[in-house]
This record gives sequence, structure tokens and C-alpha cells, in this order.
Amino acid sequence: AQKVTQAQTEISVVEKEDVTLDCVYETRDTTYYLFWYKQPPSGELVFLIRRNSFDEQNEISGRYSWNFQKSTSSFNFTITASQVVDSAVYFCALTGAGTASKLTFGTGTRLQVTL
Amino acid sequence: GAVVSQHPSWVICKSGTSVKIECRSLDFQATTMFWYRQFPKQSLMLMATSNEGSKATYEQGVEKDKFLINHASLTLSTLTVTSAHPEDSSFYICSARGSVAGGDILWYQETQYFGPGTRLLVL
Repeated sequence: AQKVTQAQTEISVVEKEDVTLDCVYETRDTTYYLFWYKQPPSGELVFLIRRNSFDEQNEISGRYSWNFQKSTSSFNFTITASQVVDSAVYFCALTGAGTASKLTFGTGTRLQVTL
Repeated sequence: GAVVSQHPSWVICKSGTSVKIECRSLDFQATTMFWYRQFPKQSLMLMATSNEGSKATYEQGVEKDKFLINHASLTLSTLTVTSAHPEDSSFYICSARGSVAGGDILWYQETQYFGPGTRLLVL
């Protein structure tokens, strides 16, 4: 069985602070995929990134960066110089390979960025 | 690319009414579509998986006669909540996963793209 743990339920930061959202996963699959989605108050889930289990290279996209470490089964997400528009619920998710695979979501981390 | 639309975005209906929600992939062919339900401040709960041209696969505890799913084309899936009751009030969100043809092989893509969701309120 697969499991995704986002231990941080809510995080509150002041604008321009850096913030890291933690994600720890469990899977027995050797090939799997990790995702981060953003859910703003409007409700739509916005795809942010996908990572393959065989590619541990970290990634940076603007103010966003992701740290994937298979040794600790973690896929953490850092927002640099946070902005109010970053306020949302962020979900980490995991899926295995194969057409029958399903997404396993974490419980989400609510990020509140204030002025 | 990878845009998924959902219609309607809001539904308010009386108890006993059936409600149909449409999910469309606008710029890619969705081999598989998923329907989720989300309660306030909770994560997404997968209800069912539908593949184009075949019957949907429902998750344990989801009533297939209550939540009818049709995936008639590669760009459209519908969820019908039959005889809705107040306990069916929720946020319903669909996602779509596409595939890419490579010669004789159809490679499925792992990323699910989500629609904007439908808020259902049953009075």
C-alpha cells in the first residue's frame, strides 16, 4: 500500500519569508511518481511538478524548488520569498507505474502568507 | 496545454433531483478520467476511475447506482448524482490523464490534470 504524509497541517508566514513544505512517502514500487499540487481558495488543483523515482535531480522553477531524496523517502517543496498569492493548500501525491495506478494524496498543508 | 474544464461550477438543487456534472479535456485526449470528492478542509477522496468506452471502476464504499459515470469519448466524462440528498453536498472534482501514441504503442502519461471542481449543495 502507498502512503503520503504531510505532517504540517497549517503554516503561517510573513511575506518574503522562505517556507518549506514537507512530504514523506511510502511505497513498495520501484518505479513511482511524485507530485505537488496547489489548491487555492477557488478549489481548482493546479499541477506544479512531477518527479520520477529514477530521477533524484532537484528542480527549481522561479521561486519554487523541490528536494527529492529517496534515502529518506522525502519530496519537500520550498517557496522562496513567499507572496500572498502563494496562500493555498498544497498537496503532495504519489502514484505507481501502470495504467491502473491511482494517485495517493497526502492530507495537505495549508499555507497562509500575510503581509 | 493540459486544460480540463468542468461544468457546472455551482449547483444548488432540491433533494431528490439528479445532477449531471461534465468533465472535459480541452486540448488532449483523456484515456482515463477520475472523479474525486472533497469535504471541507480534507484531502481528495477518489470515487471512481473511468476509461473511455468501458465501465467505470468504483472505489470501495461508493455506490455505483448513486453516482453514475459515463466516459463516452476521449474528451468527455460525466458524473450523475442520482436522487441527490443533503449528504451528497460536497465539492466534486475530476481529473484527466492522457496518453501519447508511439508507433503501435500507446504510452499513458502519469500526470493527472484537474478540473476546477463543482460545488454541489442539496437542500
